[in-house]
Amino acid sequence: DGGITQSPKYLFRKEGQNVTLSCEQNLNHDAMYWYRQDPGQGLRLIYYSQIVNDFQKGDIAEGYSVSREKKESFPLTVTSAQKNPTAFYLCASSIRVFLEQYFGPGTRLTVT
Amino acid sequence: GESVGLHLPTLSVQEGDNSIINCAYSNSASDYFIWYKQESGKGPQFIIDIRSNMDKRQGQRVTVLLNKTVKHLSLQIAATQPGDSAVYFCAENTRGAQKLVFGQGTRLTINP
Repeated sequence: DGGITQSPKYLFRKEGQNVTLSCEQNLNHDAMYWYRQDPGQGLRLIYYSQIVNDFQKGDIAEGYSVSREKKESFPLTVTSAQKNPTAFYLCASSIRVFLEQYFGPGTRLTVT
Repeated sequence: GESVGLHLPTLSVQEGDNSIINCAYSNSASDYFIWYKQESGKGPQFIIDIRSNMDKRQGQRVTVLLNKTVKHLSLQIAATQPGDSAVYFCAENTRGAQKLVFGQGTRLTINP
């Protein structure tokens, strides 16, 4: 099956801890993205990557970091510097940047 | 399941009727538009897209209409079924802007 996987589906952390969210795709897409979704708001772009070893900040990158060492993988680290990390995190990919994007199932992160 | 939007506009339709979901976009330079469907607790699912050189595009049971004069996009779903219950998002891309801008979403509920 081709698609995007995110793990875990639910994640719980204590305040002050860094946490890494996994995103893997086997669609052979060059571009990958991380979005954050909060109730009552549209998706907001955290980071995106057009190609391996390259990534760009989105609208709300502060407190987050990413890496793109492999085409298939684009992990997101939520650092302790992120002031309000509790949210639903969505990973997506596309053949070329910002065209039709395919989304993973999401990870719900709760920080207490 | 999780709510993706606590205060979203809501559209209620009878099963079997046609649904029309509207979206106003802000940037007259936007040239590519996408509709996504998001079920509770899941990632958005691509429905249909349209480029600005078109004013209508049809898929299976769905039609997207684009009115560039008033910067309005609509998604029509024919013979609405219970499985169509979800939040529907429009997204716009402006050439050179390097991002997709997502709307807040509309919750579609189906009455039996």
